[in-house]
Parts: sequence; structure tokens; C-alpha cells
Amino acid sequence: RKEVEQDPGPFNVPEGATVAFNCTYSNSASQSFFWYRQDCRKEPKLLMSVYSSGNEDGRFTAQLNRASQYISLLIRDSKLSDSATYLCVVNMNSNYQLIWGAGTKLIIKP
Amino acid sequence: NAGVMQNPRHLVRRRGQEARLRCSPMKGHSHVYWYRQLPEEGLKFMVYLQKENIIDESGMPKERFSAEFPKEGPSILRIQQVVRGDSAAYFCASSRGDRGHEQYFGPGTRLTVT
Repeated sequence: RKEVEQDPGPFNVPEGATVAFNCTYSNSASQSFFWYRQDCRKEPKLLMSVYSSGNEDGRFTAQLNRASQYISLLIRDSKLSDSATYLCVVNMNSNYQLIWGAGTKLIIKP
Repeated sequence: NAGVMQNPRHLVRRRGQEARLRCSPMKGHSHVYWYRQLPEEGLKFMVYLQKENIIDESGMPKERFSAEFPKEGPSILRIQQVVRGDSAAYFCASSRGDRGHEQYFGPGTRLTVT
């Protein structure tokens, strides 16, 4: 089983819709969680850090479920510019190393 | 406040040549990470460095690849005797070491080996 698993997609979603991704992690000792987005041929950019049960930033909401060992990302009122690959990232305890999911590709259609 | 800087952005090398990739971390960041990304694939961790120390190089190929982060100047990823399979995007990230090690990425260097 992979340490961090994501549905690769692609998710094809009409503009304005709400879309949600899930990500599961295998190590219950994991402490810090992040969502990054990566546009084609660009660097990953930090979207949100998830330190407790979850947090919200504008149209984006991240949730953490420690009991079931998954995190989710919800995007409301999706825009064409939201088209990207969304990467789930987990940091275990005080270990510096981030464990990266393979990413979920999102395509927003007009 | 400048972000993570990498240069060159594009590098073309012939087989057998050496490639040197540079990374300057964000101001206030003392932790540097190098990743490699092949086309249509995910990020692969290569090496983690702090100033003058290699902390973890478990993702580095055993031969031809080396990295350093000197007291002064940028971090360098060096690939000797490049082969076609080294063609990839090489990303550098930096962090402060706290906040769960949030990492911020540079724009990457795209290496093409001909």
C-alpha cells in the first residue's frame, strides 16, 4: 500500500461546480498535512496547510479525519483557473521529509 | 521578498557532459530539498540539506549525482557524465524547518540531454 494515495483522475468538472478530492495516508503518526497545486510544467505551489481538524481559505476547504486517516479538499464555485494537478502531502511527526501523493488532475470545463 | 530562485531555467547538455543546477532558498530559510520530476510523473525526493550538511540523500542515485549547500552561496546539484535518462525537471524547495516543514518551490531547471 502506498504511503499517500490519491485518485489520479482526471476529474472533468463544469465551471461553477463544487468538486472534492480525497487523499488517504497509511502512517497514523503523521502530523502535518498539505495540499499543493501544480500547473503543467510548473513548480508545485502550496495551497493550504492542514494542522488540526481542517481550515478554509476562500473557495477552498481542507478537512482532516485522523480516525479514518484521510484528508479532503473541497473547491466551491470552481473557476477555469482551478484546472491543475492537486497534490496531497503528509509529514510524519517531526520528520522533515514530506511524503507526496501522485496527484489528482482537475479539468474545469466552460 | 524573493522566492526560491533556481538557475538556469533550461539547460541542454550532451551525453557525457556535466550539469550544474543552482538553488537559492527563500530569505530566512536554511533547509533545502531537491526533487526530480520526469514527464507525466510525480515528484521524487532526492536530497535534503542544511548549510554545510547533507541530512538525507536517500533519493540520490549512487553514482554521478552529488549535492552541496555551502556556508555562502547557493545549493548546487551536480550531475556528472549525464545520460539521456537524466532529462527531467529538477525542482528545489526550501523551508524554515518549522510549521511542519512547509516547503516552497523554485521554478525548476529543465535539463535536456541530447
